[in-house]
Amino acid sequence: KQEVTQIPAALSVPEGENLVLNCSFTDSAIYNLQWFRQDPGKGLTSLLLIQSSQREQTSGRLNASLDKSSGRSTLYIAASQPGDSATYLCAVKGSNYQLIWGAGTKLIIKP
Amino acid sequence: SAVISQKPSRDICQRGTSLTIQCQVDSQVTMMFWYRQQPGQSLTLIATANQGSEATYESGFVIDKFPISRPNLTFSTLTVSNMSPEDSSIYLCSAGDEKLFFGSGTQLSVL
Repeated sequence: KQEVTQIPAALSVPEGENLVLNCSFTDSAIYNLQWFRQDPGKGLTSLLLIQSSQREQTSGRLNASLDKSSGRSTLYIAASQPGDSATYLCAVKGSNYQLIWGAGTKLIIKP
Repeated sequence: SAVISQKPSRDICQRGTSLTIQCQVDSQVTMMFWYRQQPGQSLTLIATANQGSEATYESGFVIDKFPISRPNLTFSTLTVSNMSPEDSSIYLCSAGDEKLFFGSGTQLSVL
């Protein structure tokens, strides 16, 4: 049974720093992996989608990597800004197309 | 990408009543989903809304409590029936055949 873990649960860093959020999964037979951000009391915004055959995806200051063999994905945020403060969730779609969610990392960027 | 309009954005309801949440997508999609997110927790899938057939419910969720309609490829509703305070949560509509997109959520409080 696929399990998705996000560590740390919370992270606070000064503005301007580069940072990495982690997502681990137990079953490497995945279809794709998606990163989202969620602002308090709001819906989710899709950030990056990585297909099983891909190693990374980039959008602006965000870069997501995927290493299936080690069961890991990372979300790299460059030059962090206070507006990046949010909860970041990863979701893994398995070969059965079922989506398994991590619990999220709450990120605070201090001005 | 898809834009999803979800309404209402929030509501305060009395115990024993029902609330219907609407979700409109700006393009045709095969897959639509309904999630619940309780405070401080990750997402829990309630059901997959299938066009032209009954929804597929996850363990712990039943049609009598959460009836779902999916009359076409761009619209779905979720009803939360006979509400109790335990139903207080954020309800999220999502859609997408590959990349998943979300509505802005419905924050429900049951008194």
